Amino acid sequence: DIVLTQSPDFQSVTPKEKVTITCRASQSIGSNLHWYQQKPDQSPKLLIESASQSFSGVPSRFSGSGSGTDFTLTINSLETEDAATYYCLQTFILPWTFGQGTKVEIK
Amino acid sequence: QVHLVESGGGLVEPGGSLKLSCAASGFSFSDYYMTWIRQAPGKGLEWVSYISSISRPTKFGIDSVRGRFYISRDNIKNLLFLQMNSLTVEDTAVYFCARVSRNMSVDYWGQGTLVIVSS
Repeated sequence: DIVLTQSPDFQSVTPKEKVTITCRASQSIGSNLHWYQQKPDQSPKLLIESASQSFSGVPSRFSGSGSGTDFTLTINSLETEDAATYYCLQTFILPWTFGQGTKVEIK
Repeated sequence: QVHLVESGGGLVEPGGSLKLSCAASGFSFSDYYMTWIRQAPGKGLEWVSYISSISRPTKFGIDSVRGRFYISRDNIKNLLFLQMNSLTVEDTAVYFCARVSRNMSVDYWGQGTLVIVSS
């Protein structure tokens, strides 16, 4: 199975700061990597699909990059509403697998 | 807009069965793969299964559920199902129904239904 390793596991950030979350795959997955935001007691919401394509309605401060094994989710100018856990998901090879999650807290 | 509503969760004893349902609306259900993803309390996301738009193929992501869980769909009634048999405490989780996009992402999710397996 492909293992997705996110870093960091936790990040405490002040508003307006830039946040960078990485997702490393145990083998190449092309661009089949997607990013999700999950707030407490809510279902996950798609932010970025296919590594760099912003999903409809997602604020422009969210962006994604990477291909192969190394991927990045960037949140430019963090807002308080961005406090959440972020997950990456690969759908290149079965079984689909998620990263362990990165919790972003607002200082 | 896309709307997915799960139902059928609840408390069940180990060894019991449950059938989850997901009612879809706001899109052409029969054109899309659909998937189930679960999340144990306080844990991360775990992909369970997907089903193609025409019901075959189906795939499962968790070795421990193969042969116990069955995914199906009704493209007339716009319903997705997950039949879960021989449940164990490790199956305790919120189960999310979700749509698979053309880009093979999981683009829309339901609110989830909680399954608790406990004696």
